Amino acid sequence: GAGVSQSPRYKVAKRGQDVALRCDPISGHVSLFWYQQALGQGPEFLTYFQNEAQLDKSGLPSDRFFAERPEGSVSTLKIQRTQQEDSAVYLCASAKTNQPQHFGDGTRLSIL
Amino acid sequence: AQTVTQSQPEMSVQEAETVTLSCTYDTSESDYYLFWYKQPPSRQMILVIRQEAYKQQNATENRFSVNFQKAAKSFSLKISDSQLGDAAMYFCAYNEGGDKIIFGKGTRLHILP
Repeated sequence: GAGVSQSPRYKVAKRGQDVALRCDPISGHVSLFWYQQALGQGPEFLTYFQNEAQLDKSGLPSDRFFAERPEGSVSTLKIQRTQQEDSAVYLCASAKTNQPQHFGDGTRLSIL
Repeated sequence: AQTVTQSQPEMSVQEAETVTLSCTYDTSESDYYLFWYKQPPSRQMILVIRQEAYKQQNATENRFSVNFQKAAKSFSLKISDSQLGDAAMYFCAYNEGGDKIIFGKGTRLHILP
């Protein structure tokens, strides 16, 4: 597939569990972004990578949220000790330098 | 800080008619990009149209066009000849080149057959 791939598509976890969400960007895209979209709202920025470097993590809501992109390609967003307010759709986007972002289908996370 | 405001939570339009979605934004920058994204129930964010702030000419993509008023910081989307497949959430968005995107809260568009 030529698009941004996110897995899993749905994730249900109990409060307090740790979760990991995966993003496979489009091949050759240097930039990678994570967004959080609460129900009925627009996406909100979480963090940004250029290659393997995390250049901006100002949107991460707490230190329970952690993202990595160790080889400059696949990225993982990890949420520790999940809470109900973490329930949302998590969108990943990738882009060539200064080009429009291409979005994946997102992971819907539900915390029970 | 930059903000994007969509004042219409929901709108409806008859099939084949024209509808305009409103958006205003706030920024102190002179060089930036504005976007309209469509998000159907499948959740994928689809780029509908993109406007570069330094270009005075309004962007168009087939049935979709924008009215970009830089001084007023207004960026509306016009959909002509509305089709059932246009039903979705529409987000107005802003960014400065390769930076993060700032989204509005969205407008849900219903197409009436």
